[in-house]
Amino acid sequence: EDKVVQSPLSLVVHEGDTVTLNCSYEVTNFRSLLWYKQEKKAPTFLFMLTSSGIEKKSGRLSSILDKKELFSILNITATQTGDSAVYLCAVSVGTSYGKLTFGQGTILTVHP
Amino acid sequence: DTGVSQDPRHKITKRGQNVTFRCDPISEHNRLYWYRQTLGQGPEFLTYFQNEAQLEKSRLLSDRFSAERPKGSFSTLEIQRTEQGDSAMYLCASSLVLQQETQYFGPGTRLLVL
Repeated sequence: EDKVVQSPLSLVVHEGDTVTLNCSYEVTNFRSLLWYKQEKKAPTFLFMLTSSGIEKKSGRLSSILDKKELFSILNITATQTGDSAVYLCAVSVGTSYGKLTFGQGTILTVHP
Repeated sequence: DTGVSQDPRHKITKRGQNVTFRCDPISEHNRLYWYRQTLGQGPEFLTYFQNEAQLEKSRLLSDRFSAERPKGSFSTLEIQRTEQGDSAMYLCASSLVLQQETQYFGPGTRLLVL
């Protein structure tokens, strides 16, 4: 059975701190790994990673995938209170036609 | 607003009643997905459609659950004889076939079964 595990489950930091969120996976026929941000309601898409070692960046957020060690990290630098959310990692496998298997999420709280 | 919309946003029902939720995807998206999310967990896949065809159903989807997408546009998810364990957020997402992992989620329908 495909499995996605995120750590830590929750994290509390102060504005300006840098955080690293982890996602490990055990799946057959890996296709891609995705990060989503969920604030109260709908998850919103952040990144999709398919190749090892290539960093994707968007502003203060960046992410990288290691297909040999089967994990990904999401970095957020200079955190702001608006970064407070649940960060979800999901994996798509080759035969799943877009079905995503999600981890349980990391709850990030950024205090002013 | 051209995003994914869901209706209703909240539903409270008594155990044993039937409920139906609606999802309107982004108009040009031919893939539509249903997920269920319980408190403290990530979304779990339930089923998905390509146009009007339902192509995969999760083992989580018991025979009390049925989903349709009759004209390949909006979709409905019906739960018959609701149970307290059905209480969850039901999320709908849509995507293009060639960008199937890049799914855009709706705001969800939160169901509470008393």
